[in-house]
Amino acid sequence: DAGVTQSPTHLIKTRGQQVTLRCSPKSGHDTVSWYQQALGQGPQFIFQYYEEEERQRGNFPDRFSGHQFPNYSSELNVNALLLGDSALYLCASSWGTGNEQFFGPGTRLTVL
Amino acid sequence: KQEVTQIPAALSVPEGENLVLNCSFTDSAIYNLQWFRQDPGKGLTSLLLIQSSQREQTSGRLNASLDKSSGRSTLYIAASQPGDSATYLCAVWDGATNKLIFGTGTLLAVQP
Repeated sequence: DAGVTQSPTHLIKTRGQQVTLRCSPKSGHDTVSWYQQALGQGPQFIFQYYEEEERQRGNFPDRFSGHQFPNYSSELNVNALLLGDSALYLCASSWGTGNEQFFGPGTRLTVL
Repeated sequence: KQEVTQIPAALSVPEGENLVLNCSFTDSAIYNLQWFRQDPGKGLTSLLLIQSSQREQTSGRLNASLDKSSGRSTLYIAASQPGDSATYLCAVWDGATNKLIFGTGTLLAVQP
């Protein structure tokens, strides 16, 4: 049983560029959440997708957007990258909202 | 606003010791509390999930307790091993915002 997978593992971009990160949930899960983790900090909730719609959103600007596909996989898009967007981006999946979260290995984004 | 605090921020113990990690949260209206382990630069591994109606959960050498009324949880690790060295994060599923909110973690080092 494959767990949560994310791609790519590492990414280097320059300021002003756009980036797309991808996530495939654990088998049987229908809900995907995205988190940003800065060095030395706990993960911060970005948003959650269920039934292809954004259900909850954290305190992140509109530069952060997402999508969920019919197969429950998800993308996180960040536009107009800033240096401060450099972080580990984590995807988590669950069966419905409020249930046990299973995390992927993360994508390390570096903005130069 | 829900806030999650973990004490201590870092802990170093000799191999074989039993230890306790602490987590506190400010709003008792939670659905559940989850403990995670994170190795450097990696994703999160779920250790234990405690529903709001439960008092404790056990898995192997790990035991987590929850006192919702006082806003506290502890993670007890028995007979610690060098392989237990990692950052331990607790997170609460906040009932008011329907989001998972993390603490900043406890960095554990178990010395051989």
